[in-house]
Amino acid sequence: NAGVMQNPRHLVRRRGQEARLRCSPMKGHSHVYWYRQLPEEGLKFMVYLQKENIIDESGMPKERFSAEFPKEGPSILRIQQVVRGDSAAYFCASSPYAGGFTDTQYFGPGTRLTVL
Amino acid sequence: GQQLNQSPQSMFIQEGEDVSMNCTSSSIFNTWLWYKQDPGEGPVLLIALYKAGELTSNGRLTAQFGITRKDSFLNISASIPSDVGIYFCAGLPRNAGGTSYGKLTFGQGTILTVHP
Repeated sequence: NAGVMQNPRHLVRRRGQEARLRCSPMKGHSHVYWYRQLPEEGLKFMVYLQKENIIDESGMPKERFSAEFPKEGPSILRIQQVVRGDSAAYFCASSPYAGGFTDTQYFGPGTRLTVL
Repeated sequence: GQQLNQSPQSMFIQEGEDVSMNCTSSSIFNTWLWYKQDPGEGPVLLIALYKAGELTSNGRLTAQFGITRKDSFLNISASIPSDVGIYFCAGLPRNAGGTSYGKLTFGQGTILTVHP
């Protein structure tokens, strides 16, 4: 998947615990996007970040979910006090820049979150 | 919000047959992307389309960006067993400034099964 790395690949949490999902974009990419995929559905946009900035979080639930992309290190999607409905595959994508014709997004392998 | 209608939902074909799937939208997109997703993996980019009317090929795959900017199709010729998977169209909307913006909208997917 074109070099975008995500870990862990699988994550199991009990209700009320915290889940931390990490994403390292492709080398040279400074734009990161998080998407969620429920079984047998398409991906749904959650949040778009550049280094140290959240550009668009309109697809992210207002409570319990947060995302960051620090100056150093991977992007983190954090889900606090997980509930069963949070069980899904979470995908990260990256692009070299946005706002132009070549802002094609490349996806990582995803993190499958299961909430017991 | 914006929605993409992708059809058909599923296809069962014999090896060697050609396949066609399409996506339509009620709103304009600046970029159309076609991805393939294998079970347990992230979407892999197949073809990217950036201009209305553009016709692009990638091996046995051909995709077109509709002139109205509201539709796209993907054709697979002479299908083989490894073509099995879920195919997604995705669009980048045209924002008020006329440039693309990072929020991909995905179709519901087309599940392709190829019988040897």
